[in-house]
Amino acid sequence: EIVLTQSPGTLSLSPGERATLSCRASQSVSSSYLAWYQQKPGQAPRLLIYGASSRATGIPDRFSGSGSGTDFTLTISRLEPEDFAVYYCQQYGSSLLITFGQGTRLEIK
Amino acid sequence: QVQLQESGPGLVKPSETLSLTCAVSGYSISSGYYWGWIRQPPGKGLEWIGSIYHSGSTYYNPSLKSRVTISVDTSKNQFSLKLSSVTAADTAVYYCARLGWFGEFADYWGQGTLVTVSS
Repeated sequence: EIVLTQSPGTLSLSPGERATLSCRASQSVSSSYLAWYQQKPGQAPRLLIYGASSRATGIPDRFSGSGSGTDFTLTISRLEPEDFAVYYCQQYGSSLLITFGQGTRLEIK
Repeated sequence: QVQLQESGPGLVKPSETLSLTCAVSGYSISSGYYWGWIRQPPGKGLEWIGSIYHSGSTYYNPSLKSRVTISVDTSKNQFSLKLSSVTAADTAVYYCARLGWFGEFADYWGQGTLVTVSS
């Protein structure tokens, strides 16, 4: 089973700043099968990025994903007030098994 | 617009079986995609439970496999989750979701339903 480790656990930034969230896998992950989600309190997660770098429908271009192999990054170029939330990475591997990272909380500084 | 809606009891007794159904609208399950269940204990992260294809092929989280059954009813355009021998550790918000064409990510989610395991 592939384990995803996200860092940092909590990131404190101000609106307008750039956010960089990391997701590291215990084994190589196909870039086609790495996704990122945003979750706000009391809401279901929302798909942001799939295939490591493709934005889902309706996602603003300030969100971007990159990486390959075992290291992946979600970047928010300029934080808006609505971007403060918890972010999860997720991989899809052999035998159609899915695992999630433990999440990064992005909070207002 | 694809919409998913979970339904089922909000309270289940320990050792009993948790049963939930996900009704899908705006897309026919028979047309493709994988469909799945994901849960989130209060204040914790996301855990994939399992996935199903319209043909009935299933894939389960190894840590839950012995207790999980996911089934699909294409005539009603819905799929279901059964989790047996539940304990307090199974208390969580349960989400149903449409997974990718190959089951690789969740692009549509239900609103989630809280299931509490308690006597």
